[in-house]
Amino acid sequence: KAGVTQTPRYLIKTRGQQVTLSCSPISGHRSVSWYQQTPGQGLQFLFEYFSETQRNKGNFPGRFSGRQFSNSRSEMNVSTLELGDSALYLCASGHGNRGEKLIFGSGTQLSVL
Amino acid sequence: SQQGEEDPQALSIQEGENATMNCSYKTSINNLQWYRQNSGRGLVHLILIRSNEREKHSGRLRVTLDTSKKSSSLLITASRAADTASYFCATDEGGRGGSEKLVFGKGTKLTVNP
Repeated sequence: KAGVTQTPRYLIKTRGQQVTLSCSPISGHRSVSWYQQTPGQGLQFLFEYFSETQRNKGNFPGRFSGRQFSNSRSEMNVSTLELGDSALYLCASGHGNRGEKLIFGSGTQLSVL
Repeated sequence: SQQGEEDPQALSIQEGENATMNCSYKTSINNLQWYRQNSGRGLVHLILIRSNEREKHSGRLRVTLDTSKKSSSLLITASRAADTASYFCATDEGGRGGSEKLVFGKGTKLTVNP
């Protein structure tokens, strides 16, 4: 079985730009969650999509958005980038059950200059 | 917000020694999980313990859960240099219904010296 695929692996942007990150979950998984990891704040939940619907959302500004397609692939978008958005963005794939084991991708390292 | 808090923040041991990491959380849970992360990479699931379980083993890993104290510990026995990584506990938010949201602690950085 292929793992969770995140693209791109690294990204460098400047303040004010926008960025789109992609995540392809494990085949058969219908849930994709996104997390932001920074040295200061640790791992923070961004949002979760299940069957193309956002099911839960973390405490992030509206500049952070996402969507999920019918094939379960998900994208997250960050508009008007700020320096503080520099982070490792991780997506996780699962069946959609509360508290279950998640399979994580290798992440996208975003640097905002 | 952070649910789990790991202790210690950093741990350095010699190969062959045991490593113990602790995690405390704040609210009721259904499950508690431990994940491992090598530097700058994704998280790898290690073990899941349900709220009605007190202890679970997987290879060299032993996890305990005390729901009355809202705490868990991860023991790695006979550590190897390859165990060098950050270890995170993660909990759900209890209750029923959907949502796979996990709340992570800040992690313990383990260094195993050869």
